[in-house]
Amino acid sequence: GQNIDQPTEMTATEGAIVQINCTYQTSGFNGLFWYQQHAGEAPTFLSYNVLDGLEEKGRFSSFLSRSKGYSYLLLKELQMKDSASYLCAVTDSNYQLIWGAGTKLIIKP
Amino acid sequence: ETGVTQTPRHLVMGMTNKKSLKCEQHLGHNAMYWYKQSAKKPLELMFVYNFKEQTENNSVPSRFSPECPNSSHLFLHLHTLQPEDSALYLCASSQGREAGELFFGEGSRLTVL
Repeated sequence: GQNIDQPTEMTATEGAIVQINCTYQTSGFNGLFWYQQHAGEAPTFLSYNVLDGLEEKGRFSSFLSRSKGYSYLLLKELQMKDSASYLCAVTDSNYQLIWGAGTKLIIKP
Repeated sequence: ETGVTQTPRHLVMGMTNKKSLKCEQHLGHNAMYWYKQSAKKPLELMFVYNFKEQTENNSVPSRFSPECPNSSHLFLHLHTLQPEDSALYLCASSQGREAGELFFGEGSRLTVL
């Protein structure tokens, strides 16, 4: 079956760096997405990786290793507003999006 | 308005009621989706419409009935739901069925008593 694994919850300190991991087993691969979802709000697009390597976008970076079925989202200079759930999703060979259950990130002062 | 708009934001209904959720997108996208989001579970894809045609129905019970009158509007008709159907129902759109980035509405929080 197809599966996405990510930690259920993580805690980090304001101003620090946190890495949220995502591993996947899917039927084919056509890209990996990270979305951010604040409580009570819509998920919003953060990043997309289809080739191996690091994509940087401001304080957020996303890394992909297709051979390892692995990605991470790196958040730098954490701010209180970064408290949210982070969803990892992979597009399989049929362009179906397979979702992880999300990682709830708690930022403490 | 811009983006994806869902109404109502909150809905409480009994098991014998009939209600509908509405979604409207102002992005000119061709694909629209209904997802169910339950606590600590992955998003569950329910229905997909591409150019107004339903392309996927992921074994969703018949008490959920989608309707897509045009590429900007999507409805989810609800009838004789069960308490386990209580969840956040998210509508999303994308440029095309194979265009990955989804734009989500803020969801309709459904409680079935």
